[in-house]
Amino acid sequence: NAGVTQTPKFRVLKTGQSMTLLCAQDMNHEYMYWYRQDPGMGLRLIHYSVGEGTTAKGEVPDGYNVSRLKKQNFLLGLESAAPSQTSVYFCASSYQGISNQPQHFGDGTRLSIL
Amino acid sequence: GQNIDQPTEMTATEGAIVQINCTYQTSGFNGLFWYQQHAGEAPTFLSYNVLDGLEEKGRFSSFLSRSKGYSYLLLKELQMKDSASYLCAVRVLSGGYNKLIFGAGTRLAVHP
Repeated sequence: NAGVTQTPKFRVLKTGQSMTLLCAQDMNHEYMYWYRQDPGMGLRLIHYSVGEGTTAKGEVPDGYNVSRLKKQNFLLGLESAAPSQTSVYFCASSYQGISNQPQHFGDGTRLSIL
Repeated sequence: GQNIDQPTEMTATEGAIVQINCTYQTSGFNGLFWYQQHAGEAPTFLSYNVLDGLEEKGRFSSFLSRSKGYSYLLLKELQMKDSASYLCAVRVLSGGYNKLIFGAGTRLAVHP
């Protein structure tokens, strides 16, 4: 059972380039989330989705877009990468979010913007 | 606003007991989670509290006082592998959906 899988694991981009981070989960979870984690700061929610075809903004959405075309996949896009987007990105998924069921995290994508 | 405070770093000795505190001020409360995160790895779920009191799970216990906006994670019989960051996260209802607000984490170093 793979759980939550993120690709790629590492990436280096130049300022202004675009890229897409892929998250896939095999637990049939309704909710999916994208976070970024920076030194000295907690995980911050970028965007989330409560079901196939839905997306919503989190705490720090600027500069990012997302899509959830299939229930098992949640894509995070950077249209024009900036050095401030250098971070570790985590995807997570959970059941409907109204119980004691926790969020399950992927192994992260380490992204550097030069 | 939403605010969650945890100590930045703690050290402890193998075999000892350590308590990691978390205080929160959030608009709404719908449960508190503790996660463990080893360096370079994903956070993994440790415990969940939604009612006041102590939840025990093996060597790990978590306590919640909703009136005080306070929780702690208690780790007993510390092992070297417990060296990790411990993340406190409060679930709040926002925009009609539950979301987690994370503290910055407490980095625990266990020494022989």
